Amino acid sequence: EAGVVQSPRYKIIEKKQPVAFWCNPISGHNTLYWYRQNLGQGPELLIRYENEEAVDDSQLPKDRFSAERLKGVDSTLKIQPAELGDSAVYLCASSLQAGLAKSGELFFGEGSRLTVL
Amino acid sequence: RKEVEQDPGPFNVPEGATVAFNCTYSNSASQSFFWYRQDCRKEPKLLMSVYSSGNEDGRFTAQLNRASQYISLLIRDSKLSDSATYLCVVNLYSGAGSYQLTFGKGTKLSVIP
Repeated sequence: EAGVVQSPRYKIIEKKQPVAFWCNPISGHNTLYWYRQNLGQGPELLIRYENEEAVDDSQLPKDRFSAERLKGVDSTLKIQPAELGDSAVYLCASSLQAGLAKSGELFFGEGSRLTVL
Repeated sequence: RKEVEQDPGPFNVPEGATVAFNCTYSNSASQSFFWYRQDCRKEPKLLMSVYSSGNEDGRFTAQLNRASQYISLLIRDSKLSDSATYLCVVNLYSGAGSYQLTFGKGTKLSVIP
């Protein structure tokens, strides 16, 4: 079975440019997460979706970040315009909604490494 | 106080050694706890859950002390392949069927030949 798929794996852009990341979760996983991981830090939640509904976006910098999960399956995270401080790895994860509390198991994609010059 | 705190390390230990990592959490209402492992430039993966009574999985032992809000991970007979960053994760029920997973910064382990 395929895991969480993300693209692109690497992206280098100049500041003020837009960038978009795509994620396809594991089939059947209702819950999708976008995390940001800075060097030497743990992942920090940006947004969580239950199906197509964003149920927790409190940590998403809404002035420049946006996300969507239109059909409740794959998702896109966009940054416009990018700033130097946005350089990080953007991780997508998915989980079975009902299983999260007990198993705590999130399945992460390999991440999209963004460098803003 | 940060929600989840870990000693970042690095812990440099010889093969065969026993090493322990600690983690503290600030929210006493936190309900479940986990250790994740993250290899260099890879994604985090669940290593094991942490149960109140303590639990073991091969060479790995996890323990929870709710009174002290403290979690630990013990690795016995360290292998070179154990070299990774170990992330402490705390799960807090935030109401209406929602759960919030908070990750620590991670503790880096290097097992040396």
